[in-house]
Amino acid sequence: ETGVTQSPTHLIKTRGQQVTLRCSSQSGHNTVSWYQQALGQGPQFIFQYYREEENGRGNFPPRFSGLQFPNYSSELNVNALELDDSALYLCASSQGQGRNNSPLHFGNGTRLTVT
Amino acid sequence: DQQVKQNSPSLSVQEGRISILNCDYTNSMFDYFLWYKKYPAEGPTFLISISSIKDKNEDGRFTVFLNKSAKHLSLHIVPSQPGDSAVYFCAARDMEYGNKLVFGAGTILRVKS
Repeated sequence: ETGVTQSPTHLIKTRGQQVTLRCSSQSGHNTVSWYQQALGQGPQFIFQYYREEENGRGNFPPRFSGLQFPNYSSELNVNALELDDSALYLCASSQGQGRNNSPLHFGNGTRLTVT
Repeated sequence: DQQVKQNSPSLSVQEGRISILNCDYTNSMFDYFLWYKKYPAEGPTFLISISSIKDKNEDGRFTVFLNKSAKHLSLHIVPSQPGDSAVYFCAARDMEYGNKLVFGAGTILRVKS
């Protein structure tokens, strides 16, 4: 069983640039969520995708957007990067939209640094 | 507003003793609670969970207790082992958002041998 994989592992960008982060969900999982973890804090929910549609969003501005593909893999796009976007970005997958009691399985994250 | 709080940033325990990690929440709509463990340079790993209709769930050395009236949950690790040293996150599922998890800030557990 393949776990959640994310790429790249590390990334350095300049303020104002755009970035795309990628995630492959665990086999058999059809729901993908993205979380941002700033230093010293817990992960914060960005949004969730199910059947290629966004079906839940946290308190993040529209410059954070995403996609889910037919194979359930996903992308997180961030436009007009700001210094505060520097964080660990975590992708998590699960089976179903979460109404069942199946825990999220996380990837190892992408460490984004904005300078 | 912090809906899930872990008020102890760190905890140090001797190997073989009990580790107790605490978590408080404010939102009555939370219906499912989870604990995750995180090592440096890795993503959070699911440890144990509990539904809001239960007050205890046990899995090997790990037990989670839920006190709904106090909006409090705790994770007990017995006996503690050096490999348990990690950051522990408490998380709660928001019923209105499907699988959205709200995390606490984490507690660093150090188990000394």
